[in-house]
Amino acid sequence: GEDVEQSLFLSVREGDSSVINCTYTDSSSTYLYWYKQEPGAGLQLLTYIFSNMDMKQDQRLTVLLNKKDKHLSLRIADTQTGDSAIYFCAAINNAGNMLTFGGGTRLMVKP
Amino acid sequence: EAQVTQNPRYLITVTGKKLTVTCSQNMNHEYMSWYRQDPGLGLRQIYYSMNVEVTDKGDVPEGYKVSRKEKRNFPLILESPSPNQTSLYFCASSALAPGYEQYFGPGTRLTVT
Repeated sequence: GEDVEQSLFLSVREGDSSVINCTYTDSSSTYLYWYKQEPGAGLQLLTYIFSNMDMKQDQRLTVLLNKKDKHLSLRIADTQTGDSAIYFCAAINNAGNMLTFGGGTRLMVKP
Repeated sequence: EAQVTQNPRYLITVTGKKLTVTCSQNMNHEYMSWYRQDPGLGLRQIYYSMNVEVTDKGDVPEGYKVSRKEKRNFPLILESPSPNQTSLYFCASSALAPGYEQYFGPGTRLTVT
């Protein structure tokens, strides 16, 4: 099955850019996702990218996809303290009926 | 308001005592799913349902049961809970399939002693 991996922790200063990385194993994944989990809450979809795209930008968020290396990244520009959360990368399987999540990256933003 | 609700939010129980965690969505979604979240392991899918009376195993189904008799409800049943099922559980729903935006419930923290 699919394996999705992320680093566990990232710390940045307010105003800096954050880059959260993710690798996945199933090259047939058609969509890849970033979800955000704030303390005590469920996950919320932040953004997604289709596998035939290299980049997607949405306001402060930029998603980069390197399909050859099966590497996905999420860049948050001008990171704010409100961006402190756990960020999950996820990939959909070929049948389109299951999402596999990474272990989550805890982003800490220092004032 | 569009939402996914779960009950209870917190539950402490003993080994072997059957329990049910309810999940309900008001968005007329076809797809519903249960996940468990454990530190460092992210979310792992337990069961999912593509529609009424259609359920299938996820990555970690052992020790769990589900049913989908109505579109809006997708209860998670632990027939004989064990301590290794202590976890944070999330129910989620999406319009047609998980590739569409999944809406998550607030979570149920279960402790089995």
